[in-house]
This record gives sequence, structure tokens and C-alpha cells, in this order.
Amino acid sequence: GQNIDQPTEMTATEGAIVQINCTYQTSGFNGLFWYQQHAGEAPTFLSYNVLDGLEEKGRFSSFLSRSKGYSYLLLKELQMKDSASYLCAPKGGGGSYIPTFGRGTSLIVHP
Amino acid sequence: DTGVSQNPRHKITKRGQNVTFRCDPISEHNRLYWYRQTLGQGPEFLTYFQNEAQLEKSRLLSDRFSAERPKGSFSTLEIQRTEQGDSAMYLCASSSPELFFGEGSRLTVL
Repeated sequence: GQNIDQPTEMTATEGAIVQINCTYQTSGFNGLFWYQQHAGEAPTFLSYNVLDGLEEKGRFSSFLSRSKGYSYLLLKELQMKDSASYLCAPKGGGGSYIPTFGRGTSLIVHP
Repeated sequence: DTGVSQNPRHKITKRGQNVTFRCDPISEHNRLYWYRQTLGQGPEFLTYFQNEAQLEKSRLLSDRFSAERPKGSFSTLEIQRTEQGDSAMYLCASSSPELFFGEGSRLTVL
């Protein structure tokens, strides 16, 4: 099976930086996704890490450490529209192509 | 629009009725997934197709649920004899490898 642990909720101020952590245990490993989901909408793709290290994409960056079963999503220059749920989804190994989603971290950005 | 399309977007049904959802994936994607999501939870895996072959099915999926993907194109998810606990958002995604989700089909069972 797979266990995924993320904080349930975080708050931050507009313009600040926030880091959302995710730890996971999977049967094998084939990469890790981060998704953003606004209330009532479908998840939208943010990042995909396969190898260790930091992937930067505009205001969002994602880090992976496979040996530690750990990833984080870094959001810079926070905007009000970044208030959403952020979902960590590792993909198991052994030929499995199935991403398993955590419960998500609800981020509230306030002025 | 070349994204993932799902319909109907909303379905309200009485307990015991059958419902069917349709998903049209992005045309060049050969992998298609169905997930279910309830309030406050992340998407929960239901089943997965590679082309027309259903390669994996969650143990959580009861016999009342069936999915097909004839000819490896669109897919349908049928729920027979619906129960109130089936009320959820049913999400379809196709992948390349990142998952692109459709807008979902929200089911309410009365």
C-alpha cells in the first residue's frame, strides 16, 4: 500500500513564501506529482519530479528526495488566487502507473 | 477544446437507480484513469486503462461499479443500484505521463 502525509491546513500572507511538505511510503517509486485544486474544480497539474532535486517553474518549485520519501512544494510571491488545496501524488513502482493522492493541504492566503 | 471531457457534469438520482458517466480523454493519450473524490479528501483511485485494456481496479470498487473503454477511446463508468454513499465527484484523467483531469461528474444519490 501507499501512505502519504501532508499538513491538513496552512495559512500565509500575500507576497510571502510557503513550503508544503509531503512524506510518502510507496511500493516502488515512479515519480511524484503536485496538483492544485480550487474548491469545486478539478485538480490541475503543477509539477512532476522523477529524480532527486529541485524543479523550478515560475513562482512554484518542487523538491524530491527519493531516499527520504520526501517532497515539498514551494510557492513564492503568494497571491490570493493561490488559496486552494495542494495535492501530493506519488506514483508507485513495479510497472504501476497509478498516482495515489494524499488528502491535500488547504492553503489559505490572506491579505 | 482538446482537453478531457466528462458528462454529465451533474447527476441527481434516487437510490437504487443505475447511472453512467462518460469520459472523452485527450486523443493521443493511451492511459485513462477514473478517480472518486469526496469533500475534504484527495482523489481516490478506482480503475485504470491502457488503451482498451483495464489493467487495474481498486479493491474498494464494489461489483456494482463497472468501467469500459471500447476501442481505447472514450470510457464509461457505470454504477448499478446506487447507494447514498456513492455520492461523490467522479473524475476522469488521461496521462502523458502527468494526469490531465476532466471537470468531473458530480453524483448525488437521494
